[in-house]
Order: sequence, then structure tokens, then C-alpha cells
Amino acid sequence: DIQMTQSPSSLSASVGDTVTLSCRASESISTYLNWYQHKPGKAPNLLIYDAATLQSGVPSRFSGSRSRRDFTLTISNLQPEDFATYYCQQSYTTPLSFGGGTRIEIK
Amino acid sequence: DVQLVESGGGLKSPGGSLKLSCVASGFTFEHYAMTWVRQAPGKGLEWVAVISGTGGSAYYADSVKGRFLISRDNSQSLVYLQMESLKAEDSAVYYCAKDSTPRGYSYGYEFDYWGQGVLVIVSS
Repeated sequence: DIQMTQSPSSLSASVGDTVTLSCRASESISTYLNWYQHKPGKAPNLLIYDAATLQSGVPSRFSGSRSRRDFTLTISNLQPEDFATYYCQQSYTTPLSFGGGTRIEIK
Repeated sequence: DVQLVESGGGLKSPGGSLKLSCVASGFTFEHYAMTWVRQAPGKGLEWVAVISGTGGSAYYADSVKGRFLISRDNSQSLVYLQMESLKAEDSAVYYCAKDSTPRGYSYGYEFDYWGQGVLVIVSS
């Protein structure tokens, strides 16, 4: 089974900052990597699919990239509504798997 | 608008059974794979199961394989999760979600719409 490892597990940032979240796959998953935002009591929200494609309706301050088994979600000009937990998820093969999440907190 | 509404959660004793339902609207249900994802208290998201649009293929997390069964009724736009031999570690909010693209293969899933979730508590 493919393991997804996210780092850091949490970070503190201020409005206007640029933050970079990392996700590493235990084996090659090509570009089959999605990013979700999740807020307490809400449904998860798809942000990025295919490692770097922005989901319709998602602000352009969110971007994704890939280098081999390493994936990055970058949030530029952090907004108050961006404080949440972010998960990567591989869809290369079943069983599907999520990373452990990165929680962004207000500094 | 796409809507997914889960139901059927509640409190169950260890070893018990429970069936969750998710009713969908706003899209051509039989064209899309559907999945269940859960979040235990204080934990991250955990994928549980996925079923193809036709219902002909289903896949499970190792943690639930042999105990949970995902199924669907395309005539009523419903997806189910039958949970047997429940354990305390199955306690979680369970979300159903929709794949973004009609696909005839079991990879590349992207879940673009999610329900609000239903709480399952397994405790004696």
C-alpha cells in the first residue's frame, strides 16, 4: 500500500504570508495527487488535482507542484479563510490514501 | 446544484452493525464513482471504500475489508455503507463524496463534492 507523508504537521502563519506544505509518496504515483482543505464541522474541499491543476472556483493563490515523489501545495498571500487543515491524497492505486494533514494556525 | 446527504449514523455497541446511506442529487448519479471517507475524533481523513458508477467494482481500505460493504442503488441515487463487526476504532464522522469525472478505470479519482458527514460512535 502507498503511504503519504505530510510535513509539517502544523504551522503558524500570518495573513499575507506565503506557506509551503509538503507531501511525499512512498512510491511513484505519477501525478495522481490531490489536495483538499478541511475546516472543522465542514465538508472537505478539493483544491488541486493531478498534482497541479486548480479545481474550478478555487482562488489562484493556491498552487501545486511535483518533483518525482514529492508534492507541494503553496498558498500565497494567506487569507483569514485559509486557516484550516490540508490533506494530500493519492489516487494512483487502491487502496487510496491520505496524508496525515497539515494544520495552518494563525500566528 | 450537487447535493450529498448522509444518514444512518448513531451509537452502536462493539460487534454491532450499522448501515449508512447517502442520497445524491444534481448530477447523473450512475456516471460517477462514489466513495466513503471517515475522520475519527482528533484524527485525519481516512479513505474507507469506493464503488464504480455501475456498482460493478468496489475497493476497500485494509482496516475495513471483510467487515464493510459499499453498494449503490442507481435508480434512487443512493450509496450505502454496510458496517459489520463494529469496533471502537470505527467511531468517526463518515463522509460520502462524488468522483469528479465519469471513468471506467479504478485510478485517478478526484472527489469534488462531499456531504456534511454523519457521526458513528461505537461504544459499550
